[in-house]
Order: sequence, then C-alpha cells, then structure tokens
Amino acid sequence: AQSVAQPEDQVNVAEGNPLTVKCTYSVSGNPYLFWYVQYPNRGLQFLLKYITGDNLVKGSYGFEAEFNKSQTSFHLKKPSALVSDSALYFCAVFDSGTYKYIFGTGTRLKVLA
Amino acid sequence: KAGVTQTPRYLIKTRGQQVTLSCSPISGHRSVSWYQQTPGQGLQFLFEYFSETQRNKGNFPGRFSGRQFSNSRSEMNVSTLELGDSALYLCASSADRDRGLVSGGSYEQYFGPGTRLTVT
Repeated sequence: AQSVAQPEDQVNVAEGNPLTVKCTYSVSGNPYLFWYVQYPNRGLQFLLKYITGDNLVKGSYGFEAEFNKSQTSFHLKKPSALVSDSALYFCAVFDSGTYKYIFGTGTRLKVLA
Repeated sequence: KAGVTQTPRYLIKTRGQQVTLSCSPISGHRSVSWYQQTPGQGLQFLFEYFSETQRNKGNFPGRFSGRQFSNSRSEMNVSTLELGDSALYLCASSADRDRGLVSGGSYEQYFGPGTRLTVT
C-alpha cells in the first residue's frame, strides 16, 4: 500500500537559518508528490509538486523540494526561514492505483525570531 | 480566479442531528474531494465527485454522503451525528486529471478554508 511518512511532529528553526521538513514515501509505481501548508483556521495551500523531470522542484514562497528516488524522500527546504513560515506542513502522494491522495500526518514548523 | 469556498465556516450541532456542508470549487474544476481533519487522525479522505458521479470513496460509514451538481458545486451530508464527527471538513477541487497519466494532467488540489463542525 502507498504511504507517506513525516517523521517529525515539530521542527524548530531560527529565523534566517535554512529549514528542512522531511518526507518519505512508499509507492508501487511512479510517485506523484506534493507539499501543502496550512495556516491556523485555514485550508491547505498547495506549495509544490513533483510529477516528473528535475529532481529539484521550486514552489511558492521560496520553498523547494528535492526528489530522491533511491532514498524515497521528498524533503521540503528553504534557504532562509521567516517567522511567517510558521505553519503546519503536509506531504502527500497521489496513489495512481486507487486514484486517492494520501497525506502525511503533518509537521509543525516553528520559526523563532 | 476565485478560490474554493465552503459554507458555513462554523457549525454547532447536537448528537443525532444531521448536517449539510457546501463547497463551490474553482471555476472550471470538475473534481471535488472531501476530507475530514482531526488532530488525532490527520487528513482522512471521504469521497471524490466528478461530473456529478462519485468517483472514489474512503473508509467512512454510510452516514457520510455527498453529491455534486451540474455546476460542480458539491454538498456533503452527515446524518445521525456522533461526538466523534467533530472535525474540520475540507473540500478540495482540482482540474480534471488524465487517468492515462498523459502529460498535461493537473494533479494538485486546491482547498477551501473548511467547515469547523462541533457536535455536542
């Protein structure tokens, strides 16, 4: 069965430092991977996706993610964190067998001023 | 383009009642999916509608149902509410994805702000 794991419930980082939010996946075919962000009392906002092509994917608000097939990972990164980046981040995979999206449990990012 | 809208934003209901939530997708999007978000279970997929037909469903009891109208607007209904149904219900729309996975299909989903349902 397809699955997504976000091993960290919370990540703390100082403002201006680089940030990484981890995601690993398990799929039987080609992975279709996504990152979403959720601010308090809001729905999820699409950040970026990997369908095919370059392993480094750039998205909204300066975020990028690196697809690593051998490590089955799709970590979210940003070179310099902002306090406004503090939010809940979800990794997701589209299961091409069941046509369902499977979401990770979410990682709360806290950027400290 | 206007985003996904959901109404109402907040609801308080009593056990045993039923509730209907509404979702209007982004113009031109024909796929609408519903999710339940709770602190303990994360995001759980309820069902997906496309062209007025349920195309996919998750593992929820029959008390949870939905429908989609010809203008792609969707409603979700929960009958005989239980305390455990308290959650944030999210609707997401997406452009039609090509099931043949030919390039050009759009896979990302766009979420509404959600309806916060509290069952007392």
